Amino acid sequence: EAEVAQSPRYKITEKSQAVAFWCDPISGHATLYWYRQILGQGPELLVQFQDESVVDDSQLPKDRFSAERLKGVDSTLKIQPAELGDSAMYLCASSERQGSGYTFGSGTRLTVV
Amino acid sequence: GEDVEQSLFLSVREGDSSVINCTYTDSSSTYLYWYKQEPGAGLQLLTYIFSNMDMKQDQRLTVLLNKKDKHLSLRIADTQTGDSAIYFCGISSGGYNKLIFGAGTRLAVHP
Repeated sequence: EAEVAQSPRYKITEKSQAVAFWCDPISGHATLYWYRQILGQGPELLVQFQDESVVDDSQLPKDRFSAERLKGVDSTLKIQPAELGDSAMYLCASSERQGSGYTFGSGTRLTVV
Repeated sequence: GEDVEQSLFLSVREGDSSVINCTYTDSSSTYLYWYKQEPGAGLQLLTYIFSNMDMKQDQRLTVLLNKKDKHLSLRIADTQTGDSAIYFCGISSGGYNKLIFGAGTRLAVHP
């Protein structure tokens, strides 16, 4: 069964450092999403890509977060500088088209110390 | 914006049925999903329903949608210990059908 790949699985970083997460969606999936899930809460959408274009980044803290999907395939989410409040699980998901079932990766658990 | 509410905790006896409820605010939602999350893992798609449907059954899972009341429910028949997890409802919203999630319902199954 096809999977969404994410790395690293865990990341510990000091505050004010830069950190990056990588996601490889299911082959052929045009839509890619980055979600942040704070412990005890539901996932919150940070950014949505349609192919290589950002279609929704309304909840992305743009002063410190950036995301790209240059060739419309894999994607990178970056935080610089990291803050203590950024500690969370970062989930990537992809779908064949908007509205079809999202497949989630296993996530990257970020701890900022 | 869209708001999705779920009760936080449900405890059931093994073999009983579980019913997890979700209410939402966006009446234009087209797709409504149920996901399962086990500790330290990502979200696993369980089932979904389109807004033009009232009910969908998939083996032990039954989804009911009441569009008038904006209420979605997931019934798990013959609940097993392996069903213990957090269950999220996800409601599509907006022009690009982004998914808005509730806070999740933690299902505990006891003998």
